[in-house]
Amino acid sequence: GENVEQHPSTLSVQEGDSAVIKCTYSDSASNYFPWYKQELGKRPQLIIDIRSNVGEKKDQRIAVTLNKTAKHFSLHITETQPEDSAVYFCAASRMDSSYKLIFGSGTRLLVRP
Amino acid sequence: NAGVTQTPKFQVLKTGQSMTLQCAQDMNHNSMYWYRQDPGMGLRLIYYSASEGTTDKGEVPNGYNVSRLNKREFSLRLESAAPSQTSVYFCASSEGTPQGEQFFGPGTRLTVL
Repeated sequence: GENVEQHPSTLSVQEGDSAVIKCTYSDSASNYFPWYKQELGKRPQLIIDIRSNVGEKKDQRIAVTLNKTAKHFSLHITETQPEDSAVYFCAASRMDSSYKLIFGSGTRLLVRP
Repeated sequence: NAGVTQTPKFQVLKTGQSMTLQCAQDMNHNSMYWYRQDPGMGLRLIYYSASEGTTDKGEVPNGYNVSRLNKREFSLRLESAAPSQTSVYFCASSEGTPQGEQFFGPGTRLTVL
């Protein structure tokens, strides 16, 4: 079955710096790759997603890149702010009738003021 | 709209006791999911229901059963709780077609003594 690996497990950056989180997946049939943000004690919420027919997608300070050949995708956060501090999860899904997501193990991002 | 709701918020069980976690969504979504979240292990899929009337096993189904009661409700049952089932449980829903955002409930924190 699908396996998603996520690195690093923790990341500490200075406010204003950029943060990059990387994920690799095993199932070459996967074609949907969302990123979720979970603040402390809260539920996960989608922040950005990408489908396999595009290589990059941006939304203000966040962007996601996808390399299907290498089977990896990355989340980029620019101009980080303290409110970006949270746990970030990548996930992968294949286009079949289940629509189920397989999540990575998460990255705890700390933005130091 | 309340979105995805879960009951109870907290629960303490003794080993061998049974309980049912309730989940409901008011977004007319086709697909519903149950995850467990343990420290350092991300979100792991227990069971899912791609559409009303169907249920399938996820990554970690052992020790659990589910019921898709109707389009709105998806329950998770622990027949004989074990300490290894101590976790935070999240229910989620999505439209199902095409692949898209999963909306999570607030979670249930379960402790098995």
